[in-house]
Formats: sequence, structure tokens, C-alpha cells
Amino acid sequence: QVQLVQSGAEVKKPGASVKISCKASGYTVTSYTVHWVRQAPGQRLEWMGWINAANNTEYSQKFQGRVTITRDTSASTANMELSSLRSEDTAIYYCAREGRRGSYYSYWGQGTLVTVSS
Amino acid sequence: DIQMTQSPSTLSASVGDRVTITCRASQSISSWLAWYQQKPGKAPKLLIYKASSLESGVSSRFSGSGSGTEFTLTISSLQPDDFATYYCQQYNSYPLTFGGGTKVEIK
Repeated sequence: QVQLVQSGAEVKKPGASVKISCKASGYTVTSYTVHWVRQAPGQRLEWMGWINAANNTEYSQKFQGRVTITRDTSASTANMELSSLRSEDTAIYYCAREGRRGSYYSYWGQGTLVTVSS
Repeated sequence: DIQMTQSPSTLSASVGDRVTITCRASQSISSWLAWYQQKPGKAPKLLIYKASSLESGVSSRFSGSGSGTEFTLTISSLQPDDFATYYCQQYNSYPLTFGGGTKVEIK
């Protein structure tokens, strides 16, 4: 069955970068678009960007210039790197795979907590 | 950006109750709307896509309706496992956006 397994929790200082991985199994990683969504404490879910089957990326304007999404096809892994971290970036970060019929999310990773604190 | 507004933000209900949650979009999104259920410490779970299509494996007590700017999620008979937070998401245009959530609590 389809599974997305993310890397573990991170604690970072302001100004640092964080890179989170999302390992896919149960499907061909080059066949579906993978998105990254975050959820800050008490906040709504927030879309960050995606990487599609053709290895193209699109990012939310909010994160443009700070976020980079990549894919390692041989490792069936999608990665999300967020730079210039600030305290407001403290959140749970999820990878999620699109459904067969649109940009909704049929499958989610378990989430990775990123804490930004001095 | 398309703003998604859910109401109510919190709902108290009893097992067996019929529950309705509303999601409004700031502009028309046709039927490009999904609903998710999220429990504490867990990732969201897809319930409904394209406004009214039930995801495979999801209980038929969940149903969705609406188009354009107004949508509803209905739970026909609330079960103990249904106490959770529910989110809508539009995928008509980028940036994809979510509603603020509706927490369904035990009355």
C-alpha cells in the first residue's frame, strides 16, 4: 500500500536551514505530484509547494526564495528545504501525494515537527 | 488568493446526531473542494474530493455537497470515532488554501 515516511523532528536556530525527507513506497514516485503542507500551532494548514512527475516545481509566493523542493528518484524520496528560519516557521511539516483526479491529498506523511528557537 | 471560511469553528454534538459543517470560498471554485478529518497528533485523512465524491474506504455516513462558493460536509449519524477536526481545501487555483477547521466535540 502507499506510504509516505518522513524524517524525524528537528530543532533549529533562527537563520538556519532545515531539510526534511519524505520516502515513498507502494507507488512509482515519478507518477504523482508530491506537495508540502505545514501546520503551525493553532493555525490552519498552509500549502508550500509541489514537485511533479516531470520534476518541475511550484512554490507558494509566501515561501518563494526560501523553499526548495527536490526529488531523488533512485531513493523514491522527495525533499523540502526551508532556509532563513524564524520562530514563525515552528510547525509540523507534511508531505502529501496528490489524488488520481486533482490536487487534493489522498496520502500524507506522518509529519515532521520543526522547532525554531534560539 | 482564495479565502476559505468554515463554520462553525467548534461544534458540540452527541453520538447519533446529524452534523453539518459549512465551508465558503471567497470566489467560485466550481467543485474543486476536498474535506479532511484530523485527529490530534495525526495527519489529515481525506474524506471527500470534488465536493461530493467519497474517498475509497471512507464510511458512507460522510457526504459532501455544494458547488461554486458554498459547500457542506454532513455526518449522518455521529460515531465516537468521528470526534475530530475537519478541514476543507480548495484546489481550483494556486495557492491551494484550507479552511480554518471545525472541531467536533462531545456534547
